[in-house]
Amino acid sequence: DAGITQSPRHKVTETGTPVTLRCHQTENHRYMYWYRQDPGHGLRLIHYSYGVKDTDKGEVSDGYSVSRSKTEDFLLTLESATSSQTSVYFCAITPDIGGNNEQFFGPGTRLTVL
Amino acid sequence: DQQVKQNSPSLSVQEGRISILNCDYTNSMFDYFLWYKKYPAEGPTFLISISSIKDKNEDGRFTVFLNKSAKHLSLHIVPSQPGDSAVYFCAASARYGNKLVFGAGTILRVKS
Repeated sequence: DAGITQSPRHKVTETGTPVTLRCHQTENHRYMYWYRQDPGHGLRLIHYSYGVKDTDKGEVSDGYSVSRSKTEDFLLTLESATSSQTSVYFCAITPDIGGNNEQFFGPGTRLTVL
Repeated sequence: DQQVKQNSPSLSVQEGRISILNCDYTNSMFDYFLWYKKYPAEGPTFLISISSIKDKNEDGRFTVFLNKSAKHLSLHIVPSQPGDSAVYFCAASARYGNKLVFGAGTILRVKS
């Protein structure tokens, strides 16, 4: 158990509204990631972070922003939600030391934009 | 440009037999290769990994094979069990801490 929680677990919102998803970890790992999962695409990276205030864009970052003001929390914000952002969102961490770059995932947030 | 491809959307196997899931990649800079299992309404669960300096890694019923010259990765599950029925994703990354690039997934069904 990598100690990762995501909130909310489910959310329905309307087009044009801002939405913030939260990822919380209990083990103070530096590396954190946000992915989205869509049928036929596997998981695609939205944004990632290598530490507090150190974030960068992934392959599908348009329409999303992130913030990391504390090691344990990584927030994903949809500035103005669109129907194309209906998806399942997963947060992940990589332990700081050792291994083969294994990433461990949270339980996911199912977001529906109407 | 799909750097990691899982060409079989689904696979059906009898309980007790071997399941072989395949994955191809195009980026020769990948150093780490991983397999994940995913049940509905849950996050992906890490199964097994291998680095580019090895060609085989075993963990219980799961074995991952890496053929760097062919840029091919496979996961063998022996013996297959009904609880193995899930979506399997292969993933790769170029260095430690770097993003994972995922394939589209293969649905494995193990029939009892």
